[in-house]
Amino acid sequence: ETGVTQSPTHLIKTRGQQVTLRCSSQSGHNTVSWYQQALGQGPQFIFQYYREEENGRGNFPPRFSGLQFPNYSSELNVNALELDDSALYLCASSREASGGLDTQYFGPGTRLTVL
Amino acid sequence: DAKTTQPPSMDCAEGRAANLPCNHSTISGNEYVYWYRQIHSQGPQYIIHGLKNNETNEMASLIITEDRKSSTLILPHATLRDTAVYYCIVSPLDSNYQLIWGAGTKLIIKP
Repeated sequence: ETGVTQSPTHLIKTRGQQVTLRCSSQSGHNTVSWYQQALGQGPQFIFQYYREEENGRGNFPPRFSGLQFPNYSSELNVNALELDDSALYLCASSREASGGLDTQYFGPGTRLTVL
Repeated sequence: DAKTTQPPSMDCAEGRAANLPCNHSTISGNEYVYWYRQIHSQGPQYIIHGLKNNETNEMASLIITEDRKSSTLILPHATLRDTAVYYCIVSPLDSNYQLIWGAGTKLIIKP
């Protein structure tokens, strides 16, 4: 059973550019959640995808968008990058369980630096 | 805002039990207590979770008080590799739950 994988590991962009981050969910998991973690802080929830639909969103502007594919992998897109978008971006996958979702398991993250 | 309160840092001697406390006085009846840890710049690692009964797995034990307002994560024989930030989170397991993270406890295991 493979765990959650993310690509790329590191990325450097300049202000105003666009970026796409990718996540492959753990085998058997159909839900993906994305989190942003600034240096020295806990992760902040961006949004969640379940069966290819957005299923909840945190306090992030519309320039943060996502997709989930039929194989349950997911992308996070960020447009018009700002310096404050520099962070570790984490993807977590989970599966359905009775009454809701099961435990979220995290990937290694993508470190985005915006210059 | 996070619904949990944890000490910002703790030390523990290698080989001893590490006991990490967490207060969650406003926990709701359908919310679970989750523990994750994060070793420097890596993705968070799931440790354990529970609703009201004490839980144990190969990594740790979770002790939840009877009123569910606080809990303790126990690492029975801490090693240097257990040095990490430990996060206590309360969350329901409903259809769109999100994890709301606080600052966690920085646990340093000393030789």
